[in-house]
Amino acid sequence: DSGVTQTPKHLITATGQRVTLRCSPRSGDLSVYWYQQSLDQGLQFLIQYYNGEERAKGNILERFSAQQFPDLHSELNLSSLELGDSALYFCASSVGPSGGVYEQYFGPGTRLTVT
Amino acid sequence: QKEVEQDPGPLSVPEGAIVSLNCTYSNSAFQYFMWYRQYSRKGPELLMYTYSSGNKEDGRFTAQVDKSSKYISLFIRDSQPSDSATYLCAMRDSGGSNYKLTFGKGTLLTVNP
Repeated sequence: DSGVTQTPKHLITATGQRVTLRCSPRSGDLSVYWYQQSLDQGLQFLIQYYNGEERAKGNILERFSAQQFPDLHSELNLSSLELGDSALYFCASSVGPSGGVYEQYFGPGTRLTVT
Repeated sequence: QKEVEQDPGPLSVPEGAIVSLNCTYSNSAFQYFMWYRQYSRKGPELLMYTYSSGNKEDGRFTAQVDKSSKYISLFIRDSQPSDSATYLCAMRDSGGSNYKLTFGKGTLLTVNP
């Protein structure tokens, strides 16, 4: 158990809908990362937050947004969902962004199915 | 060309075999190299990381980085059925404030008893 929690575990929704995925980082970790994993693209970085502020963006669609709250949990909002958004969404956390490797600990993921 | 290429396998070996997993990359700015293991329906877990070129050993696992060839490897000695998983290579540059990881697509490994 990495100490990173994600809810819900599974989500089934229809095209055009909006969903929110939630992540709680490990105790003491200030950075949160969101990744999308699909069969054809593999594990792709979406966005990073550090202590409430956005630090880096990857190939995140404009229909997707995220935020990190004062208690350091993070939410990933996916809107106007399309069939191609079906994937595993992982949250990872690390201690901080400055220097060193700062191992990223991954949560168990949320499996999103868009029908 | 993708930044990180990894043979997806699948790779099937008998118990006790030496396993070699590899990735190539194109971005010469990559400085940190990692191997993650992902069991089915679980999140990736970090196995090993290496900074720049060289070798690193941890028990049955050895990671090698050859920056001149842009090639990294993970060797598993005396492989066990419990090693059956997908192995993902990951890498990133020196950072600044961006700690984005770029992953290979993963190699599915099965170790048969």
